[in-house]
Amino acid sequence: AQKVTQAQTEISVVEKEDVTLDCVYETRDTTYYLFWYKQPPSGELVFLIRRNSFDEQNEISGRYSWNFQKSTSSFNFTITASQVVDSAVYFCALRPNAGNMLTFGGGTRLMVKP
Amino acid sequence: DSGVTQTPKHLITATGQRVTLRCSPRSGDLSVYWYQQSLDQGLQFLIQYYNGEERAKGNILERFSAQQFPDLHSELNLSSLELGDSALYFCASSVATGGGSGTEAFFGQGTRLTVV
Repeated sequence: AQKVTQAQTEISVVEKEDVTLDCVYETRDTTYYLFWYKQPPSGELVFLIRRNSFDEQNEISGRYSWNFQKSTSSFNFTITASQVVDSAVYFCALRPNAGNMLTFGGGTRLMVKP
Repeated sequence: DSGVTQTPKHLITATGQRVTLRCSPRSGDLSVYWYQQSLDQGLQFLIQYYNGEERAKGNILERFSAQQFPDLHSELNLSSLELGDSALYFCASSVATGGGSGTEAFFGQGTRLTVV
C-alpha cells in the first residue's frame, strides 16, 4: 500500500519569508514517481514537478526548490521569498512505476500575508 | 490553462438524481483519469481509461461509472446521488498509460457537484 503524509495542514507566513512544505511517503516499490501540485483558490490543480525515485538531485525552478531524500522517504518543497500569489493548497503525490493512479497527501494550505 | 476541459463547472442537483460530467483531454493524450476531492476523503483516484478501455479502478462506488469515447473524451456518470457525493470532481489526462513512462497528469479545473 502507498501512503503520502503532509503533516502540516496549514502554514501562515509573511511575504518574503521562506517556507518549506514537508512530504513523507511510504511505498514498497523500488521505482516510483513523486509529484507536487498547487491548488490555488480558483480550484484547479496545477502541476509543479515530477521526480523519479532514481534521481535524487535537488531541483530549483525560480523561487521553488525541491529536496528529495530517499533515505528518509521525503520530498520537501521550499518556496523562497514567498509572495501573496503563492497562497494555495499544495499537494504531494506518489505514483508507482507499474501503475497509473496518484496517491495524494492531505495537502498543506499555505497562506502568505502581505 | 492545462488544456483539459471539464464541463459543467458547477452542478447542483437533488438526492436520488443522476448526473453526467464531461471531460475533454489535452490534444494527443490517450489516458483520462477521474479523481474526487471531498472534505473528508481528500483527493482520491476513481478510475482511468486509456484509448477507450478501462485501465485502472480506484475507490469508485458502484453507483458511479465512466467511459471514454472514440474521440477520447470521457464521461463520468453518477447515479442515485447522496449528500455525501458532493465534491469536486477532477479529470486529468496524460500522454501514456503509465507503467514507467513517468508522464505527469494534467488536471482540468474540476466540476463542483453539490447534492441537496
